[in-house]
Amino acid sequence: DSGVTQTPKHLITATGQRVTLRCSPRSGDLSVYWYQQSLDQGLQFLIQYYNGEERAKGNILERFSAQQFPDLHSELNLSSLELGDSALYFCASSPQTGDTHYGYTFGSGTRLTVV
Amino acid sequence: GQNIDQPTEMTATEGAIVQINCTYQTSGFNGLFWYQQHAGEAPTFLSYNVLDGLEEKGRFSSFLSRSKGYSYLLLKELQMKDSASYLCAVRDGQAGTALIFGKGTTLSVSS
Repeated sequence: DSGVTQTPKHLITATGQRVTLRCSPRSGDLSVYWYQQSLDQGLQFLIQYYNGEERAKGNILERFSAQQFPDLHSELNLSSLELGDSALYFCASSPQTGDTHYGYTFGSGTRLTVV
Repeated sequence: GQNIDQPTEMTATEGAIVQINCTYQTSGFNGLFWYQQHAGEAPTFLSYNVLDGLEEKGRFSSFLSRSKGYSYLLLKELQMKDSASYLCAVRDGQAGTALIFGKGTTLSVSS
């Protein structure tokens, strides 16, 4: 157990639908990062939150949004789902922005299948 | 932006040594990481380099040359369980503190 908890582990939904993925960071970590991993694209950075505030954006589609709550858990909302959104979605956490020499800790991921 | 290149696939035999190379281009370099990922599982941290040189950790070593935008991961005494994808990632100040990953190198170890 890495200490980063993601739910659900698996999700199957239809095109056009909306889903919410949840992440609880490791205890004490203030930063949360969301990544999408598909077979052909590798791990793509979507968005980072630090202590409740958006810190950086990567290749996140406008149909996707995220937030980090006061208890530091984060949710990634995916709407108007398309077949191409099928992927593994990972959450990672780190202690604080700008500093770590021991890597970021990943959760076990949510496998999203859009049918 | 960032650009990270690493070979797509490599093969090796048990007991051998393999070197996985990574080249990168980034505007605000602030560290290079190597992760291991088994199929369908979460990436796990292997090493971190921010200064030039070699970092050794057991069977795994990682090297960085910032002037050349180059790193490698060296795996010694290969075992079957080392069959996995190895991901090179850079931390670029322009992306907050997020890690930007290469597409990974799939290593297959045979007996």
